[in-house]
Amino acid sequence: GAVVSQHPSWVICKSGTSVKIECRSLDFQATTMFWYRQFPKQSLMLMATSNEGSKATYEQGVEKDKFLINHASLTLSTLTVTSAHPEDSSFYICSARRGSSYNEQFFGPGTRLTVL
Amino acid sequence: SQKIEQNSEALNIQEGKTATLTCNYTNYSPAYLQWYRQDPGRGPVFLLLIRENEKEKRKERLKVTFDTTLKQSLFHITASQPADSATYLCATRGGADGLTFGKGTHLIIQP
Repeated sequence: GAVVSQHPSWVICKSGTSVKIECRSLDFQATTMFWYRQFPKQSLMLMATSNEGSKATYEQGVEKDKFLINHASLTLSTLTVTSAHPEDSSFYICSARRGSSYNEQFFGPGTRLTVL
Repeated sequence: SQKIEQNSEALNIQEGKTATLTCNYTNYSPAYLQWYRQDPGRGPVFLLLIRENEKEKRKERLKVTFDTTLKQSLFHITASQPADSATYLCATRGGADGLTFGKGTHLIIQP
């Protein structure tokens, strides 16, 4: 159990457009989901924490108006990159926390975003 | 804030030998450290968690140690196989319950 999926697995878009990435916990309910970004040969960087039914908490330096997060249900969180630019090209990975234990986080397979 | 340091240089190990990867933290002693495996173009896969009060944790061919004096965790893979080739990430609790990761060590097991 504890499978997290992401959709799409990759996306190419033009500069200035918006892209939505979905993160789903398939076999458990996740009150908390996390969004990370990973540039080539770099570590995963936490962008924001998404709590079901409330506003997301963003890490310092992450623009909340650019990276819109919606956690509308216990199994789905979405990240929308608005007015994407080439520098937003990256590997976006979500994770979902099962239960109240902060230890148990399960990661999705990631979404490769390329902005032309 | 906590900083996790890993040797991001590639580590080449002969098949059958033990691979040892290092993770150092710079500030306060974290309550736990986690180790993940990441394959190219994929999300991290959880391997092991070791708590501050645990010296050692094992799972099949994997062993993790936690030394609060050295501010270090070691990750060992015994009887290494080419299929063990991947990037291994060390992480601990970061902001708002998310994780802070190191850059990872790229392990290559040569047949």
